[in-house]
Amino acid sequence: SAVISQKPSRDICQRGTSLTIQCQVDSQVTMMFWYRQQPGQSLTLIATANQGSEATYESGFVIDKFPISRPNLTFSTLTVSNMSPEDSSIYLCSVAQGYNEQFFGPGTRLTVL
Amino acid sequence: DAKTTQPPSMDCAEGRAANLPCNHSTISGNEYVYWYRQIHSQGPQYIIHGLKNNETNEMASLIITEDRKSSTLILPHATLRDTAVYYCIVRTATSYNTDKLIFGTGTRLQVFP
Repeated sequence: SAVISQKPSRDICQRGTSLTIQCQVDSQVTMMFWYRQQPGQSLTLIATANQGSEATYESGFVIDKFPISRPNLTFSTLTVSNMSPEDSSIYLCSVAQGYNEQFFGPGTRLTVL
Repeated sequence: DAKTTQPPSMDCAEGRAANLPCNHSTISGNEYVYWYRQIHSQGPQYIIHGLKNNETNEMASLIITEDRKSSTLILPHATLRDTAVYYCIVRTATSYNTDKLIFGTGTRLQVFP
């Protein structure tokens, strides 16, 4: 199984600022995904991070708000831009290798004041 | 949108079998049924998946009906540590040939002593 780490594990940010979340995997993986989990809610897929090309965003999510980078097969970043209190959530990185089980990181708990 | 329907909550006595149902009446022939669980404040954990045959691993059993329109996850001897939200997911393949997990609302399983 893949071991996924995320940084930071939690943060408290001011409205209008941006935060970049890092996701590091201990092995090369084909697919990397970013999810959001708002308080008391299920997980919502934000985008698929594609290595060497632009991320593929789900409906309701745009690149200007959630820019994503994936410079190689073990690393990705998600930036939450121009934050508002509605962005307070847990952000989770997830990876998959082929058509197999998908693993999730521990999440980044973001609070926006 | 999620393609599954699950009861919002269930209770189970410790040591008894927990049977968690899931309806996926619109499932396509090449779509798998996946089960994940999320223990409070942690990333989702993979449990099991199947296509049309029943599956068993060290964690659970998955029973899929012959018409594939519903399934049941069975935890044979539930423990207090099995208290979690359980997600039944039909894995979707997009036009980008990117398989992704779309989470529904899940079932909150409470195991009591």
